[in-house]
Amino acid sequence: RKEVEQDPGPFNVPEGATVAFNCTYSNSASQSFFWYRQDCRKEPKLLMSVYSSGNEDGRFTAQLNRASQYISLLIRDSKLSDSATYLCVVKINSGYALNFGKGTSLLVTP
Amino acid sequence: GAVVSQHPSRVICKSGTSVKIECRSLDFQATTMFWYRQFPKKSLMLMATSNEGSKATYEQGVEKDKFLINHASLTLSTLTVTSAHPEDSSFYICSAREADSGNGYTFGSGTRLTVV
Repeated sequence: RKEVEQDPGPFNVPEGATVAFNCTYSNSASQSFFWYRQDCRKEPKLLMSVYSSGNEDGRFTAQLNRASQYISLLIRDSKLSDSATYLCVVKINSGYALNFGKGTSLLVTP
Repeated sequence: GAVVSQHPSRVICKSGTSVKIECRSLDFQATTMFWYRQFPKKSLMLMATSNEGSKATYEQGVEKDKFLINHASLTLSTLTVTSAHPEDSSFYICSAREADSGNGYTFGSGTRLTVV
């Protein structure tokens, strides 16, 4: 069983739509959680950290459910520029490597 | 912010040759460097973790004699793919962690290796 699992998609949505991505992780010792964005043939870039209380950054909202070991990302009012692969990432503790999910592909169309 | 410079960005080499990939932290000291590999449509897979001045720790299934990692200074880590084969063709990315940076991880821009 993979440590971080995501629906690979692709998710094809029109501009302005709201889209949600889900992720589950298997290691209950995981302490830190993130969503990264990766454009084709580029390095991943941090989109946002995920906190138990939930957090929002503009059109992006992230939620964490430790009991269910579940993480989500909600994108509102999708833009063409949101088209990318979204990576769910967990980390056990400070100093440890990031553990990446396979990524969910999003394509926002005009 | 912190920057990691990774070179080369793209390399094509013949089977049997060796390729060296460099990652330099430009404005911070990278006490730990992580090396990842990503195959098309796959997730980033951790290959090894290196701490400055000590031997790298390799993940299960990664051949340490094939993927040589050197982290001789706080600003430079190298990955050498020795005797490359076509199945080594992949996207290699480094990620540096600064001491006491908490969740701060900085990625290099990646190296696309094609072995022909």
